[in-house]
Amino acid sequence: ETGVTQSPTHLIKTRGQQVTLRCSSQSGHNTVSWYQQALGQGPQFIFQYYREEENGRGNFPPRFSGLQFPNYSSELNVNALELDDSALYLCASSPNRGLGVDTQYFGPGTRLTVL
Amino acid sequence: EDQVTQSPEALRLQEGESSSLNCSYTVSGLRGLFWYRQDPGKGPEFLFTLYSAGEEKEKERLKATLTKKESFLHITAPKPEDSATYLCAAQTGANNLFFGTGTRLTVIP
Repeated sequence: ETGVTQSPTHLIKTRGQQVTLRCSSQSGHNTVSWYQQALGQGPQFIFQYYREEENGRGNFPPRFSGLQFPNYSSELNVNALELDDSALYLCASSPNRGLGVDTQYFGPGTRLTVL
Repeated sequence: EDQVTQSPEALRLQEGESSSLNCSYTVSGLRGLFWYRQDPGKGPEFLFTLYSAGEEKEKERLKATLTKKESFLHITAPKPEDSATYLCAAQTGANNLFFGTGTRLTVIP
């Protein structure tokens, strides 16, 4: 069984640029959630996608947007990058079998540095 | 406002010295309390899910417990390889995980 994978591993951008991060969910999982983790902090929820539809959003501005594809992989797009966007971006997938609470399994993350 | 607080922020133990990590939560409609382990620069690794007060789960040297207001992660006779940051997270009706800031554990040989 393949786990959650993310690409790229590291990325350096300058302020004002745009970035796209990618995530492949674990086999059999139809839900993907994205989190931002600043240094020394816990992950913060950005949004969740279930079967290609946004299924909840945290307190992040509209310049953070996402997509989920028919194979349940996902992208996180961030426009007009700011210095505070520098963080580890984590993708997590879950099976969402409709039974209530599902465990989210995390990928290794993408380290984004904004200069 | 939903809140998850972990203590202590950092903990140094001698190998074999047992201790507990605390996670206090104030959330509306707790559906599950999760514990994850995170190594530096890596994604969180799932450890446990607890659903109701009184529930306990064990895995090797780790044991997680849950009350109506807090959860504890007990570490028995830790080894250096247990060194990591331990995160707890509450899942509410919104389906997202609300994380604490973690406890950074260092086990000294």
